[in-house]
Amino acid sequence: GAVVSQHPSWVICKSGTSVKIECRSLDFQATTMFWYRQFPKQSLMLMATSNEGSKATYEQGVEKDKFLINHASLTLSTLTVTSAHPEDSSFYICSARRTALDYSGANVLTFGAGSRLTVL
Amino acid sequence: GDSVTQMEGPVTLSEEAFLTINCTYTATGYPSLFWYVQYPGEGLQLLLKATKADDKGSNKGFEATYRKETTSFHLEKGSVQVSDSAVYFCALNGISGGSNYKLTFGKGTLLTVNP
Repeated sequence: GAVVSQHPSWVICKSGTSVKIECRSLDFQATTMFWYRQFPKQSLMLMATSNEGSKATYEQGVEKDKFLINHASLTLSTLTVTSAHPEDSSFYICSARRTALDYSGANVLTFGAGSRLTVL
Repeated sequence: GDSVTQMEGPVTLSEEAFLTINCTYTATGYPSLFWYVQYPGEGLQLLLKATKADDKGSNKGFEATYRKETTSFHLEKGSVQVSDSAVYFCALNGISGGSNYKLTFGKGTLLTVNP
């Protein structure tokens, strides 16, 4: 079945450094990918919509200069957390929209397993 | 804005027990409602959905009914199995038409089923 791979699955970094998280669709092409963030005991929150070949669309309250999203190919979107700080520590999840349909006839969203970022 | 409130976990049940995970929502218009499941080490997967009031979504023995009057979409299963152990997320899409692209999620409920 379709797989979305996220890498790394977990990362620890020092405050002030930048961290890149990759989201790859392994056996299908995805023109649209989504990035979510989940703080402990909180809901998954949509951060941005990533469209191949164009600028990402950020949700209200998400700093686009802080969270850089690049969707340079149909199988890869990257999220870079720039100058990370402890408050950026979170679980980041991507999903990719497929042309395949689910059991109800809607386009399938395939999710990655997530990347846990800890900023010291 | 849109929001989803689901039952706090964790929930621990014995095999063959009845499962209910409550979910209520706040949204304008006529949202579509979803339940996603995340098994350990895997990504979220769509479990079931309902796109309009009184619709019942069902899949793999799970079901949930879209109740507009109570703004609820509770997940139920009559007899759980150990393999159902996972985190369950209730979600909505406030855009009419059933699109599942921009989702608002609940916090997730961890279910553990013991043999």
